[in-house]
Amino acid sequence: GIQVEQSPPDLILQEGANSTLRCNFSDSVNNLQWFHQNPWGQLINLFYIPSGTKQNGRLSATTVATERYSLLYISSSQTTDSGVYFCAVHSGAGSYQLTFGKGTKLSVIP
Amino acid sequence: SAVISQKPSRDICQRGTSLTIQCQVDSQVTMMFWYRQQPGQSLTLIATANQGSEATYESGFVIDKFPISRPNLTFSTLTVSNMSPEDSSIYLCSVEGTSGTEAFFGQGTRLTVV
Repeated sequence: GIQVEQSPPDLILQEGANSTLRCNFSDSVNNLQWFHQNPWGQLINLFYIPSGTKQNGRLSATTVATERYSLLYISSSQTTDSGVYFCAVHSGAGSYQLTFGKGTKLSVIP
Repeated sequence: SAVISQKPSRDICQRGTSLTIQCQVDSQVTMMFWYRQQPGQSLTLIATANQGSEATYESGFVIDKFPISRPNLTFSTLTVSNMSPEDSSIYLCSVEGTSGTEAFFGQGTRLTVV
């Protein structure tokens, strides 16, 4: 099946700093999403972005489908950004299940 | 979008017992998905639940251990049976939104087996 790799696995930022998280996938996808898992375990949708670029406040994401990677940008980080960021993809035609990467654990310190 | 209510949010259970987790969606959906997240790990799909048919289980998961019900298009339950400490995980239900693109998740059930 499709492989999803995220980097870095861990990231520590000073409040106010910017960061870039990366997601590589091994095959073509028709669905890619970024999620934030808060410390209580809840998964929050950030972006549905199988291709192109989207922005939402301090967050933005870019997916280059032809090169099989996606990037999540966090600007002016805040302590509330802490948690685990997951990239997830649909495996392919006729498949509705998501395959998740291992996540990037972000800690933003004051 | 879809709003999913999952309960319980957390529980501590004795080994050998069973726990049933409920998932209620605010709209009718064809498929519901159940995931497990072991401590410090990513999410792994347990099974896909369609209304009116048997759930489809992923490799490594069996119906006797994780029976699933799907009585209608807005509700599903997952039971974790004969629990052991290795079953301590977060369990999450998920659905696709009305556009058929984004996935939405319940709040998760944090299970600890002692």
